[in-house]
Amino acid sequence: QKEVEQNSGPLSVPEGAIASLNCTYSDRGSQSFFWYRQYSGKSPELIMSIYSNGDKEDGRFTAQLNKASQYVSLLIRDSQPSDSATYLCAVLTGGGNKLTFGTGTQLKVEL
Amino acid sequence: DARVTQTPRHKVTEMGQEVTMRCQPILGHNTVFWYRQTMMQGLELLAYFRNRAPLDDSGMPKDRFSAEMPDATLATLKIQPSEPRDSAVYFCASGPRTEERTDTQYFGPGTRLTVL
Repeated sequence: QKEVEQNSGPLSVPEGAIASLNCTYSDRGSQSFFWYRQYSGKSPELIMSIYSNGDKEDGRFTAQLNKASQYVSLLIRDSQPSDSATYLCAVLTGGGNKLTFGTGTQLKVEL
Repeated sequence: DARVTQTPRHKVTEMGQEVTMRCQPILGHNTVFWYRQTMMQGLELLAYFRNRAPLDDSGMPKDRFSAEMPDATLATLKIQPSEPRDSAVYFCASGPRTEERTDTQYFGPGTRLTVL
């Protein structure tokens, strides 16, 4: 079992819809969770971090964390074509020293 | 606008040649990470440093890869000898140490390596 798992997609949503991206992790001791966005040919860019159970909202983005079920999700409201990218879930592991990344979910927002 | 810089941005070399990639972390950041990204494996951590000391290089093939931080403004990743399977994008990232979180990472633009 991989430490951080994501569905590779592609996930296609129409413009204006809500995109829902999911991630599961195996290390129960993990405390810090991140979502990175990566455009094709570019470097990963941090868009959200979450440390406590529940929801955290930042603009059109909402991160959700459920430590008991070991999953973290990212919701993107009012999806725009510019949101089309690969979204990487990352979990702080190794006693809080290492970020382990999932393989990413490709999101396509269609006009 | 503080950014992580990496050189070179692109490198094409022949199998067996030495490759050196350089990274300048954001000024004041004390943690530096080296990652490799491929289509098949995704983003893999190769090594990381805190306050210039190597903390973990378990993700790195020891026989051919080496990572160093000769000073606080420079991190290097060296491959000798290079092999076609090393072809990938190599990212450097740096992070600040704060009272609460030491885990925020900012990525450089990457070095795209092609080994023929």
